[in-house]
Amino acid sequence: NAGVMQNPRHLVRRRGQEARLRCSPMKGHSHVYWYRQLPEEGLKFMVYLQKENIIDESGMPKERFSAEFPKEGPSILRIQQVVRGDSAAYFCASSPTGQTQETQYFGPGTRLLVL
Amino acid sequence: DQQVKQNSPSLSVQEGRISILNCDYTNSMFDYFLWYKKYPAEGPTFLISISSIKDKNEDGRFTVFLNKSAKHLSLHIVPSQPGDSAVYFCAAVSGGSYIPTFGRGTSLIVHP
Repeated sequence: NAGVMQNPRHLVRRRGQEARLRCSPMKGHSHVYWYRQLPEEGLKFMVYLQKENIIDESGMPKERFSAEFPKEGPSILRIQQVVRGDSAAYFCASSPTGQTQETQYFGPGTRLLVL
Repeated sequence: DQQVKQNSPSLSVQEGRISILNCDYTNSMFDYFLWYKKYPAEGPTFLISISSIKDKNEDGRFTVFLNKSAKHLSLHIVPSQPGDSAVYFCAAVSGGSYIPTFGRGTSLIVHP
């Protein structure tokens, strides 16, 4: 009964490279949410996806960031041309139906360090 | 502009005593509140929630109190145990939304 899985757990990139973060939701969950946590900050919502659909990307920067949740396989958060300010912990969460007030279950996060 | 504030970055408590973690919010549209617990190098884990139609919700050693007029909620842990040492995040959701707004967290240390 695996929980939300994220990989890699740690990722080091140089400025200008691309970062790909993967998230596999809990079994039976079809709704995925990505959050970013900067040092000393709370989690900030980035994007909400269902299979093959972006439902809400209001928290995601307009440039360099993209997300997908294909029919098969994990959800991917992609950051192109990373900058030092992208260094943060990125958490993925999933829920079964996406209803309001439904508990979201979080993965362990990916710690991205941009050198 | 923080809509959910946890003004105490850290709290230290003796084992067996009560831990009280506080959270204030500014958005009157919030009607559902959650507490998450986070250990280092792990993701947040849901702990307890409360709807705005209630003023108290209890689950074992954990109780959440909501004071809507003061826009304040608190999490009580009694008795506190060393395994409770973690960062606790308060989060709030507006009616009709599915996205919680998180506070910055309070680091609780429970001393044996």
